[in-house]
Amino acid sequence: GESVGLHLPTLSVQEGDNSIINCAYSNSASDYFIWYKQESGKGPQFIIDIRSNMDKRQGQRVTVLLNKTVKHLSLQIAATQPGDSAVYFCAERGASGSRLTFGEGTQLTVNP
Amino acid sequence: EAQVTQNPRYLITVTGKKLTVTCSQNMNHEYMSWYRQDPGLGLRQIYYSMNVEVTDKGDVPEGYKVSRKEKRNFPLILESPSPNQTSLYFCASSSNYQPQHFGDGTRLSIL
Repeated sequence: GESVGLHLPTLSVQEGDNSIINCAYSNSASDYFIWYKQESGKGPQFIIDIRSNMDKRQGQRVTVLLNKTVKHLSLQIAATQPGDSAVYFCAERGASGSRLTFGEGTQLTVNP
Repeated sequence: EAQVTQNPRYLITVTGKKLTVTCSQNMNHEYMSWYRQDPGLGLRQIYYSMNVEVTDKGDVPEGYKVSRKEKRNFPLILESPSPNQTSLYFCASSSNYQPQHFGDGTRLSIL
């Protein structure tokens, strides 16, 4: 079946370092990918998205890379801060509409 | 302020007692959806709605009902709750083909 998953369930980094969170997907027909951040007690918050006709997109301190050849998505956070500590989810959307399939999440912990 | 509002935020109830979790959005979004989040299973979609009077099953619809009589509201109904429906529930909305905005969640405990 179709699935979106993450390579690592937890990631611990030092404040100021760069973080890389990875995601693998299996539906080659997916045309849109999103990264969400979920802080404790809150709903997921949109971070950045990328369409399948792109391989890189940059936001403020975040970059998403898409490698369609190996069906891999990554989120890079520059100069990671304590406020970045959260669970990060990738999600994919099939070409048919707005439905999203979420990965299981990676817990990012930033150590001061 | 653009937001998705869920009520209640917390509820403890007993098996078999019908309950409704409300969801309202003020962004005039066409698309709305309900998810449940369980440890180790991530976010799983229960039901979604592409527009008023249009609803469809997600990945885990059993035991749930929804309705979309107005664009802004998308209530989740548990007609006869059971303990396996104890979970954290999220409502989300979006314009079609745009990122979904999530509410802050409803934690349900079914005893």
